[in-house]
Amino acid sequence: SQTIHQWPATLVQPVGSPLSLECTVEGTSNPNLYWYRQAAGRGLQLLFYSVGIGQISSEVPQNLSASRPQDRQFILSSKKLLLSDSGFYLCAWSGGEGGSYNEQFFGPGTRLTVL
Amino acid sequence: KNEVEQSPQNLTAQEGEFITINCSYSVGISALHWLQQHPGGGIVSLFMLSSGKKKHGRLIATINIQEKHSSLHITASHPRDSAVYICAPRGGGATNKLIFGTGTLLAVQP
Repeated sequence: SQTIHQWPATLVQPVGSPLSLECTVEGTSNPNLYWYRQAAGRGLQLLFYSVGIGQISSEVPQNLSASRPQDRQFILSSKKLLLSDSGFYLCAWSGGEGGSYNEQFFGPGTRLTVL
Repeated sequence: KNEVEQSPQNLTAQEGEFITINCSYSVGISALHWLQQHPGGGIVSLFMLSSGKKKHGRLIATINIQEKHSSLHITASHPRDSAVYICAPRGGGATNKLIFGTGTLLAVQP
């Protein structure tokens, strides 16, 4: 069976500090991977998606970047956090050899507070 | 105007009531997802629809592709149904990107 992991679950960081959130998927290969953000009181917004290793597409201009160094690993980063980066970050996957491209499966999320 | 509109935005119901949440979208889609987000933030996919109707337990989802409209129904609602319900149409292509509605916050009171 397939599972998706995210860590950390919660994070409090000062403005200007770096960020690294990690997402890994097990039980499939070559999945599509996604990073979403949900700001307080707002809906989910797609930040990045990846259809393969090293292939990253950005949906919105922002202070964040993403990387996919391995097939089932997706990393969200920032060099200097802003207050506006606070939110709930969700990783998701679909497709690949272990799943269906018709479904998306979400990780447990990371709640980031920038002070 | 948002590409995806949900109504109502907030809904309070008494236990046992029949609940309907509506979703209208303005873009072409290949399918539509209904998601449930619990208070802790975790998201669960309830349905993926490309036509017609699907039923899972007390949940029913319908979609009318021509009218660009979908509904989520909950029969015999229960306090454990309290959550945010999110409509998410999916565009075509290899990326399977979802477009999210703002969600409907449902509170079912005992």
